[in-house]
Amino acid sequence: GAGVSQSPRYKVAKRGQDVALRCDPISGHVSLFWYQQALGQGPEFLTYFQNEAQLDKSGLPSDRFFAERPEGSVSTLKIQRTQQEDSAVYLCASSLDFRAGGSYNEQFFGPGTRLTVL
Amino acid sequence: KNQVEQSPQSLIILEGKNCTLQCNYTVSPFSNLRWYKQDTGRGPVSLTIMTFSENTKSNGRYTATLDADTKQSSLHITASQLSDSASYICVVSAQLGTYKYIFGTGTRLKVLA
Repeated sequence: GAGVSQSPRYKVAKRGQDVALRCDPISGHVSLFWYQQALGQGPEFLTYFQNEAQLDKSGLPSDRFFAERPEGSVSTLKIQRTQQEDSAVYLCASSLDFRAGGSYNEQFFGPGTRLTVL
Repeated sequence: KNQVEQSPQSLIILEGKNCTLQCNYTVSPFSNLRWYKQDTGRGPVSLTIMTFSENTKSNGRYTATLDADTKQSSLHITASQLSDSASYICVVSAQLGTYKYIFGTGTRLKVLA
């Protein structure tokens, strides 16, 4: 596709429900990132994939958060037993190949999924 | 603690006017600094990127400056347009080769007709 796409764009969940957020990176992009953006704040790093390998998950706030990218393309961020503090916009970004450096590591962002936990 | 601070938090200007947004950072070591524009309901889009050796970078009506000694950057918008209404986020990379961007909280700009 022309850009990074995310679905759904909006998600409302009841406290305790599980949710799954999808990210379709730019075709051919090897590196993929997830960010959490609370209201009025800048995005904060959650996790990073290189192809299907999750190389860094240090930003995931709890073990209720899980991300996968099984075939090295589409990625899913799953949040189990959602809590009100999980309400935020979840941004996905991709880059050609972070490890190649230079312009290859420029991150392109999707529109985000706004999650509201009631 | 936030290592990237932006000011003002919000700004309202009239169409056609110029404005300057500020970014101060304490991130060290420093690799590069980016300015992003984030429209409401959209993901951030890169405007400029500067390494520590660059002082200024332009992209159309947007001009970014960087003073690596004082750890300050600014984004100057010339002849503002209604479409400039957005949040502008300053993003710092801590070291060469890192993928961990450190984001500021942004400045919300509103341009009025």
